[in-house]
Amino acid sequence: EAGVVQSPRYKIIEKKQPVAFWCNPISGHNTLYWYRQNLGQGPELLIRYENEEAVDDSQLPKDRFSAERLKGVDSTLKIQPAELGDSAVYLCASSRGQSADTQYFGPGTRLTVL
Amino acid sequence: KQEVTQIPAALSVPEGENLVLNCSFTDSAIYNLQWFRQDPGKGLTSLLLIQSSQREQTSGRLNASLDKSSGRSTLYIAASQPGDSATYLCAVNSGATNKLIFGTGTLLAVQP
Repeated sequence: EAGVVQSPRYKIIEKKQPVAFWCNPISGHNTLYWYRQNLGQGPELLIRYENEEAVDDSQLPKDRFSAERLKGVDSTLKIQPAELGDSAVYLCASSRGQSADTQYFGPGTRLTVL
Repeated sequence: KQEVTQIPAALSVPEGENLVLNCSFTDSAIYNLQWFRQDPGKGLTSLLLIQSSQREQTSGRLNASLDKSSGRSTLYIAASQPGDSATYLCAVNSGATNKLIFGTGTLLAVQP
Protein backbone atom coordinates (compact mmCIF):
# COMPACT_ATOMS: atom_id res chain seq x y z
CA GLU A 1 0.00 0.00 0.00
CA ALA A 2 1.45 3.35 -1.04
CA GLY A 3 1.84 5.97 1.65
CA VAL A 4 0.88 9.63 1.62
CA VAL A 5 2.61 11.38 -1.27
CA GLN A 6 3.60 15.03 -1.19
CA SER A 7 5.28 17.28 -3.69
CA PRO A 8 7.49 19.13 -3.99
CA ARG A 9 9.79 17.95 -1.22
CA TYR A 10 11.63 21.27 -1.08
CA LYS A 11 10.73 24.76 -2.22
CA ILE A 12 12.68 28.01 -1.99
CA ILE A 13 10.94 31.23 -2.92
CA GLU A 14 11.26 34.93 -2.31
CA LYS A 15 8.81 36.70 -0.06
CA LYS A 16 5.60 37.92 -1.68
CA GLN A 17 5.71 35.06 -4.21
CA PRO A 18 2.95 32.44 -4.36
CA VAL A 19 3.58 28.77 -3.61
CA ALA A 20 1.48 25.61 -3.73
CA PHE A 21 1.86 22.18 -2.16
CA TRP A 22 0.20 19.01 -3.33
CA CYS A 23 -0.87 15.92 -1.38
CA ASN A 24 -2.19 12.53 -2.44
CA PRO A 25 -3.55 10.58 0.56
CA ILE A 26 -3.61 6.85 1.08
CA SER A 27 -6.27 5.22 -1.09
CA GLY A 28 -9.56 4.87 0.76
CA HIS A 29 -8.74 7.45 3.42
CA ASN A 30 -11.58 9.93 3.69
CA THR A 31 -9.94 12.37 6.09
CA LEU A 32 -7.04 14.57 5.06
CA TYR A 33 -5.03 16.96 7.23
CA TRP A 34 -2.55 19.74 6.56
CA TYR A 35 -0.09 20.54 9.37
CA ARG A 36 2.67 23.11 9.66
CA GLN A 37 5.81 22.26 11.63
CA ASN A 38 8.13 25.07 12.64
CA LEU A 39 11.75 24.29 13.48
CA GLY A 40 12.03 22.58 16.85
CA GLN A 41 8.27 22.37 17.33
CA GLY A 42 5.58 19.76 16.94
CA PRO A 43 3.19 19.96 13.99
CA GLU A 44 0.15 22.23 14.26
CA LEU A 45 -3.07 21.53 12.39
CA LEU A 46 -3.97 24.02 9.67
CA ILE A 47 -7.01 22.37 8.12
CA ARG A 48 -8.88 19.07 8.13
CA TYR A 49 -11.05 17.66 5.35
CA GLU A 50 -13.75 15.04 5.57
CA ASN A 51 -14.06 14.01 1.92
CA GLU A 52 -14.46 17.34 0.07
CA GLU A 53 -15.58 19.35 3.08
CA ALA A 54 -13.24 21.45 5.20
CA VAL A 55 -14.53 20.71 8.71
CA ASP A 56 -11.82 22.41 10.78
CA ASP A 57 -9.92 25.36 9.34
CA SER A 58 -9.79 27.47 12.47
CA GLN A 59 -5.97 27.61 12.45
CA LEU A 60 -5.64 28.46 8.76
CA PRO A 61 -4.52 32.09 8.16
CA LYS A 62 -7.23 32.81 5.67
CA ASP A 63 -5.84 36.12 4.48
CA ARG A 64 -3.02 34.37 2.64
CA PHE A 65 -3.61 30.63 2.87
CA SER A 66 -6.13 28.61 0.91
CA ALA A 67 -6.74 24.93 0.43
CA GLU A 68 -8.91 22.70 -1.66
CA ARG A 69 -9.68 19.03 -1.97
CA LEU A 70 -11.44 18.40 -5.23
CA LYS A 71 -13.30 15.11 -5.62
CA GLY A 72 -12.36 14.20 -2.07
CA VAL A 73 -8.96 12.76 -2.97
CA ASP A 74 -5.93 14.98 -3.73
CA SER A 75 -5.48 18.28 -1.96
CA THR A 76 -3.60 21.50 -2.63
CA LEU A 77 -2.47 24.05 -0.06
CA LYS A 78 -1.58 27.51 -1.36
CA ILE A 79 0.11 30.53 0.15
CA GLN A 80 -0.19 33.89 -1.58
CA PRO A 81 1.77 35.99 -0.90
CA ALA A 82 4.39 34.15 1.16
CA GLU A 83 6.03 35.85 4.13
CA LEU A 84 9.34 35.12 5.85
CA GLY A 85 7.49 33.60 8.79
CA ASP A 86 5.92 30.97 6.55
CA SER A 87 9.21 29.08 6.36
CA ALA A 88 8.41 25.66 7.82
CA VAL A 89 7.70 22.06 6.91
CA TYR A 90 4.18 21.49 5.62
CA LEU A 91 2.94 17.99 6.37
CA CYS A 92 -0.03 16.20 4.92
CA ALA A 93 -1.67 13.29 6.73
CA SER A 94 -4.63 11.03 6.10
CA SER A 95 -6.80 8.61 8.04
CA ARG A 96 -9.79 6.40 7.31
CA GLY A 97 -12.00 8.90 9.06
CA GLN A 98 -12.90 7.33 12.34
CA SER A 99 -11.95 9.18 15.51
CA ALA A 100 -9.82 6.33 16.78
CA ASP A 101 -7.85 5.96 13.57
CA THR A 102 -4.13 6.42 13.22
CA GLN A 103 -3.04 9.35 11.09
CA TYR A 104 -0.45 8.52 8.44
CA PHE A 105 1.92 11.30 7.49
CA GLY A 106 3.66 12.15 4.25
CA PRO A 107 7.34 13.21 4.07
CA GLY A 108 6.44 16.90 4.05
CA THR A 109 7.43 19.91 1.97
CA ARG A 110 10.17 22.07 3.39
CA LEU A 111 9.46 25.70 2.46
CA THR A 112 12.12 28.39 2.70
CA VAL A 113 11.04 31.99 2.14
CA LEU A 114 13.91 34.42 1.47
CA LYS B 1 -6.76 24.63 25.92
CA GLN B 2 -4.85 21.36 25.72
CA GLU B 3 -1.10 21.69 26.10
CA VAL B 4 1.37 18.86 25.64
CA THR B 5 4.87 18.88 27.15
CA GLN B 6 7.71 16.46 26.55
CA ILE B 7 10.68 15.99 28.83
CA PRO B 8 13.58 15.80 28.25
CA ALA B 9 14.01 17.90 25.12
CA ALA B 10 17.12 15.93 24.23
CA LEU B 11 18.65 12.69 25.45
CA SER B 12 21.90 10.89 24.64
CA VAL B 13 22.45 7.31 25.80
CA PRO B 14 24.93 4.52 25.03
CA GLU B 15 23.75 1.61 22.95
CA GLY B 16 21.98 -1.12 24.90
CA GLU B 17 20.48 1.08 27.59
CA ASN B 18 16.81 1.06 28.44
CA LEU B 19 15.25 4.52 28.41
CA VAL B 20 12.04 6.37 29.15
CA LEU B 21 10.59 9.37 27.36
CA ASN B 22 7.94 11.43 29.11
CA CYS B 23 4.85 13.21 27.86
CA SER B 24 2.38 15.22 29.93
CA PHE B 25 -0.88 16.89 28.97
CA THR B 26 -3.04 19.43 30.78
CA ASP B 27 -6.56 18.21 29.93
CA SER B 28 -7.23 14.60 30.91
CA ALA B 29 -10.33 14.40 28.70
CA ILE B 30 -8.53 12.78 25.80
CA TYR B 31 -9.75 10.33 23.19
CA ASN B 32 -6.41 8.69 22.53
CA LEU B 33 -2.67 9.36 22.56
CA GLN B 34 -0.11 8.55 19.89
CA TRP B 35 3.65 8.31 19.88
CA PHE B 36 5.43 9.18 16.63
CA ARG B 37 8.97 8.97 15.42
CA GLN B 38 10.46 11.59 13.07
CA ASP B 39 13.77 11.13 11.29
CA PRO B 40 15.64 14.21 10.02
CA GLY B 41 13.99 15.58 6.88
CA LYS B 42 11.26 12.96 7.01
CA GLY B 43 7.61 12.80 7.92
CA LEU B 44 6.17 11.21 11.05
CA THR B 45 5.88 7.47 11.58
CA SER B 46 3.25 6.27 14.02
CA LEU B 47 4.72 3.97 16.67
CA LEU B 48 1.91 3.30 19.11
CA LEU B 49 -1.65 4.48 19.66
CA ILE B 50 -3.27 4.13 23.09
CA GLN B 51 -7.01 4.55 23.46
CA SER B 52 -8.25 6.43 26.52
CA SER B 53 -9.59 3.19 27.98
CA GLN B 54 -6.22 1.45 27.74
CA ARG B 55 -3.27 1.55 30.11
CA GLU B 56 -0.50 0.49 27.73
CA GLN B 57 0.47 -0.71 24.30
CA THR B 58 3.48 -2.71 23.22
CA SER B 59 5.24 -3.14 19.91
CA GLY B 60 8.54 -4.98 19.84
CA ARG B 61 11.01 -3.13 22.06
CA LEU B 62 8.59 -0.26 22.59
CA ASN B 63 6.07 0.04 25.40
CA ALA B 64 3.83 3.06 25.90
CA SER B 65 1.80 3.64 29.03
CA LEU B 66 -1.03 6.04 29.70
CA ASP B 67 -2.23 7.48 33.02
CA LYS B 68 -5.09 9.67 31.96
CA SER B 69 -6.00 10.88 35.45
CA SER B 70 -2.53 12.31 36.04
CA GLY B 71 -2.14 13.52 32.45
CA ARG B 72 0.97 11.47 31.70
CA SER B 73 2.30 8.99 29.18
CA THR B 74 5.67 7.33 28.93
CA LEU B 75 7.44 5.63 26.04
CA TYR B 76 9.83 2.92 27.17
CA ILE B 77 12.50 1.76 24.72
CA ALA B 78 14.30 -1.43 25.67
CA ALA B 79 17.85 -2.26 24.63
CA SER B 80 18.32 0.91 22.61
CA GLN B 81 20.12 0.78 19.24
CA PRO B 82 21.79 3.50 17.13
CA GLY B 83 18.92 3.10 14.66
CA ASP B 84 16.55 4.36 17.35
CA SER B 85 18.12 7.82 17.05
CA ALA B 86 15.35 10.22 16.00
CA THR B 87 12.90 12.76 17.41
CA TYR B 88 10.01 11.22 19.32
CA LEU B 89 6.74 13.12 19.44
CA CYS B 90 3.63 12.45 21.46
CA ALA B 91 0.24 13.76 20.42
CA VAL B 92 -3.13 13.73 22.13
CA ASN B 93 -6.49 13.56 20.44
CA SER B 94 -8.93 15.49 22.56
CA GLY B 95 -12.15 14.65 20.81
CA ALA B 96 -14.09 13.14 18.00
CA THR B 97 -12.58 15.60 15.52
CA ASN B 98 -9.35 13.59 15.51
CA LYS B 99 -7.36 16.79 15.95
CA LEU B 100 -3.92 15.97 17.29
CA ILE B 101 -2.13 18.31 19.69
CA PHE B 102 1.59 17.63 19.59
CA GLY B 103 4.37 18.08 22.07
CA THR B 104 7.68 19.61 20.99
CA GLY B 105 9.43 16.26 20.93
CA THR B 106 12.44 14.56 22.48
CA LEU B 107 15.58 14.30 20.35
CA LEU B 108 17.16 10.93 21.08
CA ALA B 109 20.74 10.01 20.20
CA VAL B 110 21.91 6.46 20.83
CA GLN B 111 25.69 6.25 20.78
CA PRO B 112 27.31 3.08 19.38
